[in-house]
Parts: sequence; structure tokens; C-alpha cells
Amino acid sequence: DQQVKQNSPSLSVQEGRISILNCDYTNSMFDYFLWYKKYPAEGPTFLISISSIKDKNEDGRFTVFLNKSAKHLSLQIVPSQPGDSAVYFCAASARGYNFNKFYFGSGTKLNVKP
Amino acid sequence: DADVTQTPRNRITKTGKRIMLECSQTKGHDRMYWYRQDPGLGLRLIYYSFDVKDINKGEISDGYSVSRQAQAKFSLSLESAIPNQTALYFCATSRGQSTDQPQHFGDGTRLSIL
Repeated sequence: DQQVKQNSPSLSVQEGRISILNCDYTNSMFDYFLWYKKYPAEGPTFLISISSIKDKNEDGRFTVFLNKSAKHLSLQIVPSQPGDSAVYFCAASARGYNFNKFYFGSGTKLNVKP
Repeated sequence: DADVTQTPRNRITKTGKRIMLECSQTKGHDRMYWYRQDPGLGLRLIYYSFDVKDINKGEISDGYSVSRQAQAKFSLSLESAIPNQTALYFCATSRGQSTDQPQHFGDGTRLSIL
């Protein structure tokens, strides 16, 4: 039973427009969320994170929004660039005393068209 | 040079063979992890290690074993490979001391078991 779900396997966006990637989770104990970006033949690379004490975190063109009541987070990329074309994974964890085990979504493949 | 190096990058082998996947890191991180990725699923945790004396099972450890030979090295073994272990395997590292740390991934090992 997947605790983190990305229901859109793919998304296509025109260059310069906004990309919105969505992620839902079921475990109300999750309090730390991350987005990773993955290019073909490479490992996932960390993009941005958010703690449950916040509802928004911004880093350049990337913004993550967290809606705890809906158990939903989203990643917005503005403006989208062709180099953003990749698979994006969201991940969530419940920070325990010593270890935060991450649960990953299945990924959304973003294609940014020139 | 990559901070987290996985070898081999690709491997094709037969059912019943013993296989070892190796991971080494130059990041100086204490914690290391092994994940597998299957189509349509997120990354799932196989084993993790907090230091050379600490090994823990993840959510899908059956059929796998690990060895933490040094702080920088963490290997994954399939004692008797079976076809449903065909997957993309990732090693990751993270710092200790804090649970607000993202994981850093290697580029993956694509394993096919015939």
C-alpha cells in the first residue's frame, strides 16, 4: 500500500509556462517532504524540501506547497525550461528520534517543450 | 568524480547466481542505504546502515543481504538471484546527527535476471 502517490505519470508543458507536479500522502505522521529530480541513467538528485511547520518553501524557480489538511503537496516550476525535463519524485518521512525513513512516490515525467 | 559510485552500472545474470552490487562514497557520510526501483513504483528501501556496526532491514529485505565494510563502502548481495529481483538498484548516503537531511544517490545499477 503506497503511502505516497503521484497520480500523474507524465506532464507536458511549454517552455516559459508553469509546471505543477502533484503528490498526495496518506500518513498523517509525515512531517518532512522532499522533491527529487532524476535524469535518465542518473540517480535522483535532491531539489527542494519542506517541513510540516511551513506551507511554502521557495528556491529560485522552484516552490513547494504543502497542504496538511488535504495531505497534498505540489511542486511548481516557473518558468519551465527544457532542461527541467526529467522524472520528479516526491518523498515523505515521519521524523523519529534517529531515523527518517523516506517513502517515495512513483514519479512524474515532465517534458518541457521548446 | 561522482560522490556516490555504484558498480557495476549494468548486469545481466541467470537465476540462481550470487550477485554483489557495490557502493562507495567520498562524501564522508555515516549513513548508507540500498533501494530498488520498479516500473510504476517508487523507490523502496532494502537495507540501511548508520555506521559500520549497524545494519538494519528495510521494507523489502527478503532475498538480500548487505555488508558495510567501511564507512565509505556498502555492498548489496543477492545470494540466489530470481527473476523478480530484476530492477534498478540505487545506493544512497546521508549525514547522521539530524533527520532533516536529504539523501544523495548514486547513478544506479540496472540488474536483469534471466
